[in-house]
Amino acid sequence: NAGVMQNPRHLVRRRGQEARLRCSPMKGHSHVYWYRQLPEEGLKFMVYLQKENIIDESGMPKERFSAEFPKEGPSILRIQQVVRGDSAAYFCASSPRMGTGNTGELFFGEGSRLTVL
Amino acid sequence: AQTVTQSQPEMSVQEAETVTLSCTYDTSESDYYLFWYKQPPSRQMILVIRQEAYKQQNATENRFSVNFQKAAKSFSLKISDSQLGDAAMYFCAYGGGADGLTFGKGTHLIIQP
Repeated sequence: NAGVMQNPRHLVRRRGQEARLRCSPMKGHSHVYWYRQLPEEGLKFMVYLQKENIIDESGMPKERFSAEFPKEGPSILRIQQVVRGDSAAYFCASSPRMGTGNTGELFFGEGSRLTVL
Repeated sequence: AQTVTQSQPEMSVQEAETVTLSCTYDTSESDYYLFWYKQPPSRQMILVIRQEAYKQQNATENRFSVNFQKAAKSFSLKISDSQLGDAAMYFCAYGGGADGLTFGKGTHLIIQP
């Protein structure tokens, strides 16, 4: 049973370019979360999605950032016109549906490290 | 909103000794989960231990145990017989079910050989 898969593991972009980060949740998981980790800091919540729905995007910057979790395919975190301050590790996590053994635990991918030059 | 506070940015312990990492949280909920995650240099987030708030018994996983004080909203992690492989960032996290987790800022644990 594959874990949460994120790609790319490392991404380098120049200021003004677009970054796309992908996340495939664990099989049977329908909840996806994106977190950002700045150097020497903890994980900050960005967005919570279920299939085709954004449930909570209170942690997402209002501009340039968007996320989706389509019916088919991985969840995508998209950052337009990247700036140096976007350099961080972006973690995706998933959890199963409520009532199906959900223990509150999140299962994390290995993260995508974005570097903006 | 829930908050999680880890007041120790860094802790150091001799190999084979015991160390306790502190965590406090704030919530108005009565039913929730608490977690300790470990993040080694590889940056993978690894679950160490989990506690359900409705359980009075402290969770234990081999050398890892917690001291859960619900009234005080305290959730400390004790690592016994510390090993070099325990060196990592440790994050305390609060969870309310399907709502995701709120993390503390982390404690950097150093193991002295």
